[in-house]
Formats: sequence, C-alpha cells, structure tokens
Amino acid sequence: SAVISQKPSRDICQRGTSLTIQCQVDSQVTMMFWYRQQPGQSLTLIATANQGSEATYESGFVIDKFPISRPNLTFSTLTVSNMSPEDSSIYLCSGGLAGGRETQYFGPGTRLLVL
Amino acid sequence: GENVEQHPSTLSVQEGDSAVIKCTYSDSASNYFPWYKQELGKRPQLIIDIRSNVGEKKDQRIAVTLNKTAKHFSLHITETQPEDSAVYFCAASLEAAGNKLTFGGGTRVLVKP
Repeated sequence: SAVISQKPSRDICQRGTSLTIQCQVDSQVTMMFWYRQQPGQSLTLIATANQGSEATYESGFVIDKFPISRPNLTFSTLTVSNMSPEDSSIYLCSGGLAGGRETQYFGPGTRLLVL
Repeated sequence: GENVEQHPSTLSVQEGDSAVIKCTYSDSASNYFPWYKQELGKRPQLIIDIRSNVGEKKDQRIAVTLNKTAKHFSLHITETQPEDSAVYFCAASLEAAGNKLTFGGGTRVLVKP
C-alpha cells in the first residue's frame, strides 16, 4: 500500500483567509483525489488532481474556491480560499497506485476549523 | 452520476455475533467496490474490495458479496470483536470515470462486550 502524508494535520483559521494543504505520496500513483468530510458525515469528492493540468472538479466545487495543483506524480496541494465557517471540515487526499489503480489509499486528513 | 445508498446508519451487535452492512448503487457500469473502516479521528482504511467479475470475496472474518443484477453489495463481519467498532463506508467506482469513488453514507458499528 502507498504511504500518504498530509500537512498541516490541523489548523484554525480566520474567515476570509486561505489555507493550502499539501499531500505527499511515497510512490508513484496514477490518480490523486481530494475529498471533504464534514463532521459526522461521509466523504465527498471535491476534485481529481491531474498531473500538469487543471483539476477536474465535481458538481458544487469550483476552482476559484478550491484551487488544486499537482506538479508531479507524488505531490498535490489543495487551497481552501476565502474561508467561511462552512468550510470547517476534514480534507483528505487519496492516491491510487500505478499497478492497481482502482485501489485508493487515504492520507491522514487535515482538520480545518474556520472561526 | 453514481449514487450509493448504505444501510443501516447505525448497528449495535453483541461481541461474537455477526454484522451485515448493505449498499446499493445506481450506475450499472460501476465495476469496483471497496469497503473502508474509519476509527474516530483516523483516516479511512481499506479493509476489503471486490471487482465486478467476482461474486464473493473473503478475508478472515470479513467477506463481501456482490449482486450485479440487483446492483447491491454487502459487508459481512463474523465473530465481531470490540475493535471492530468503527464507522464503515462502502464505495463504488468506474474505471471509465477515472476511478473516482462515490461513498455511501456510512454505518456506525458498535460491538458491545
């Protein structure tokens, strides 16, 4: 399985500010994704991080609010822009190994609280 | 797009009994179905998965069954133990859609000693 790390692990931010979350995978993955998990809820896909090109966003999520970068096969960032208390959530990245690409492993998550 | 329904939302079982969680999906083209276990404050951990060319898969006390015709799949945990207490999520994905996962709503399992 892939080892996936994220940072920061948690943060408390003021409304109107932005936070960039980093995701690092220890081996090459074909697919990387970003999910949001609101308290006590399931995981909702925000976007697919595409290497070297614009991310593919799911319905309800837009690039201006959640800009994503993926400069190489093992690293991606998600920015939560112009934050409001409704953005308080856990943000998780996931990656699928190049060999068994359907299988996804998750990072530990970034717990965000917006005041 | 894909929609995954999961039942029950909570499940309480006595230690040693079996637990069954059921999921249905809407897109008949979905071909990969993983199950994740998430303990409080931790990341989702893959516990078992099944592909559409297989009807059943077992790993020790955990088994998953898939009925493609009815578009539902189930997780079975036998001889439950207190450490099985967690939230379990089913998911579905389609290779042609980039393998992105659509998750069910989750089942909170409590195993009572």
